[in-house]
Amino acid sequence: DTEVTQTPKHLVMGMTNKKSLKCEQHMGHRAMYWYKQKAKKPPELMFVYSYEKLSINESVPSRFSPECPNSSLLNLHLHALQPEDSALYLCASSQGGTDYEQYFGPGTRLTVT
Amino acid sequence: GEDVEQSLFLSVREGDSSVINCTYTDSSSTYLYWYKQEPGAGLQLLTYIFSNMDMKQDQRLTVLLNKKDKHLSLRIADTQTGDSAIYFCAEIGLTGFQKLVFGTGTRLLVSP
Repeated sequence: DTEVTQTPKHLVMGMTNKKSLKCEQHMGHRAMYWYKQKAKKPPELMFVYSYEKLSINESVPSRFSPECPNSSLLNLHLHALQPEDSALYLCASSQGGTDYEQYFGPGTRLTVT
Repeated sequence: GEDVEQSLFLSVREGDSSVINCTYTDSSSTYLYWYKQEPGAGLQLLTYIFSNMDMKQDQRLTVLLNKKDKHLSLRIADTQTGDSAIYFCAEIGLTGFQKLVFGTGTRLLVSP
């Protein structure tokens, strides 16, 4: 099973709202990732958690706040977003360590109004 | 720096072979990947190659790596309409062991 699940599938939020994106995997992977993908562009890395600790933050604005409650779950908390933050948000996971195969979820399509 | 370039578009007929090309600049790349993305969906890992290999075959997929020219290709044999999608190559280098850097993506259109 190489499944990564993400909820919700679609999200529309206003600039003053607070919402969260959720990601889950049950493959025993110890590294989890958030990517942002704008239309017609490749995914861009936002955050990496390795063994439940934040190991990479690609200078993402503080209105995006990641959280890794346990090795199977990854959240992305959103607050005071801007319309230009509208994008597909992709979660991925990998074994961690020297295993670099990343498996992606279906994504959450976020629209900020 | 890390730059991964791909041609934007490829159109083939069903049953033909497709070849999608990718060039990269990071000579420390250790793993190179091919992902497929269908409209509105996430990314599906198709295959990958380690930098000390020059070829890998997996059913209809053949990956060729020319490390000297920093050129990677994906050949899809007997292309089907279900292969229509965007294909991304991606690399991981020694400098960012967990950071996937994606190419610009190639849209493959397969016509009947």
